Amino acid sequence: GESVGLHLPTLSVQEGDNSIINCAYSNSASDYFIWYKQESGKGPQFIIDIRSNMDKRQGQRVTVLLNKTVKHLSLQIAATQPGDSAVYFCAEGGGGNKLTFGTGTQLKVEL
Amino acid sequence: DTEVTQTPKHLVMGMTNKKSLKCEQHMGHRAMYWYKQKAKKPPELMFVYSYEKLSINESVPSRFSPECPNSSLLNLHLHALQPEDSALYLCASSYLGGQPQHFGDGTRLSIL
Repeated sequence: GESVGLHLPTLSVQEGDNSIINCAYSNSASDYFIWYKQESGKGPQFIIDIRSNMDKRQGQRVTVLLNKTVKHLSLQIAATQPGDSAVYFCAEGGGGNKLTFGTGTQLKVEL
Repeated sequence: DTEVTQTPKHLVMGMTNKKSLKCEQHMGHRAMYWYKQKAKKPPELMFVYSYEKLSINESVPSRFSPECPNSSLLNLHLHALQPEDSALYLCASSYLGGQPQHFGDGTRLSIL
């Protein structure tokens, strides 16, 4: 969903469940996509990236899926842990050094 | 711990002060960035340096003046800031475009 004012979209999951965070991007010419995790008081931390010639990429406990037809990106986190609680941002790049960030999703892991 | 180091972590300044934010990386990255982030908002790009030359200025007011003394250092000089400039200022670096940008933990700036 979209953020309104100071409210971030929030996803609440139980510890041990899988999390799926979604992102819609706007620029059809974007060819590079990246997910960041930002904890309170910290800078964004790189999680995983994917290029437009791929539709899936896996890391440790994380998977990024890219659907260029509908301009949609998702981040899947397996066996979500309390330490995964943070704000997650997707970002798109269209060549050059510029990244454009999405509005962010707050992930809350419930014990 | 991040590999991009920003100082100071916190800064409070008056509207007539002059101060500088500093950023350092030793990963051999050739692109460095300044972002501004307001609470519960995504980072907004301000400036990009590529090979120590300013390549992108996102129409930032002249009271913000970037400087890249060498490939490892990036400064942001501040003068006559406004209260609405209070924010978290993030520095990042990357090898080049299409590569992950690595962020520091930012400088929390408050303008009185």
